[in-house]
Amino acid sequence: GESVGLHLPTLSVQEGDNSIINCAYSNSASDYFIWYKQESGKGPQFIIDIRSNMDKRQGQRVTVLLNKTVKHLSLQIAATQPGDSAVYFCAEKEGGGATNKLIFGTGTLLAVQP
Amino acid sequence: EPEVTQTPSHQVTQMGQEVILRCVPISNHLYFYWYRQILGQKVEFLVSFYNNEISEKSEIFDDQFSVERPDGSNFTLKIRSTKLEDSAMYFCASTASTDTQYFGPGTRLTVL
Repeated sequence: GESVGLHLPTLSVQEGDNSIINCAYSNSASDYFIWYKQESGKGPQFIIDIRSNMDKRQGQRVTVLLNKTVKHLSLQIAATQPGDSAVYFCAEKEGGGATNKLIFGTGTLLAVQP
Repeated sequence: EPEVTQTPSHQVTQMGQEVILRCVPISNHLYFYWYRQILGQKVEFLVSFYNNEISEKSEIFDDQFSVERPDGSNFTLKIRSTKLEDSAMYFCASTASTDTQYFGPGTRLTVL
C-alpha cells in the first residue's frame, strides 16, 4: 500500500544551525500534510501544516516545503535550539473527504548539540 | 490553551483482561480519533468517531476494540480481552474540522 516515509532516521545538528528534515510520500491523492514533534513520553505536538495547493508555508522559526512533482515534504527549523530535540513525524491525509485518518511516517530523531 | 487529556498515563494489565482508556477531547471539537504507537514504530490509525458513531476504522480495530462517548466530554477506547501485542502507547486526538488533529499525551498500555 501507499505510505509515508522518512529518508533520515537521525539528524544531529549544532545549536544555532538550521535543520532540514525530509519526508517522502507516495500517495498522490494526499492533499494535506502535517509535521508533528514528539518529545520523549509525550504525544505528537502539532508544528505546522500545508495543503497541496501551496508549496511553502512559514511559521515561527519553521518552514514547510511541499514538492508535489517528486512527492517530497520538508521541515526547516531555523536557529535550532536544544529544546527542538525530539522525533519529528510527517503525516498525510488523503483528499476527497473519504477519510480523515492521518498516515504517519517513521520519524526522524533530531539531536541538537549545545 | 485547550488540550486533549488522557487517563491513565500508564496501565498495566494481565493478558485476557479488559481495559478502558479514557480521553477528554478539546471541548468544541467534533471529530475524535484513537491511534497507537508500538515502541519504536510509527503512529498507526485505529478509529475515527463523529456524530456518535464510528466513521472509519483500520484493520487493527477488530471486534476486541470498541469506542464510546458516554457523555459530553469523555471518549473511551475499550479492549475486551487484551493480548501481549496490544502493548503500545495509545493516543487520542480531536479536531474541530477535518484537518489539524490535536493529540493527547497518551496512555502507555503494558500487557503481561
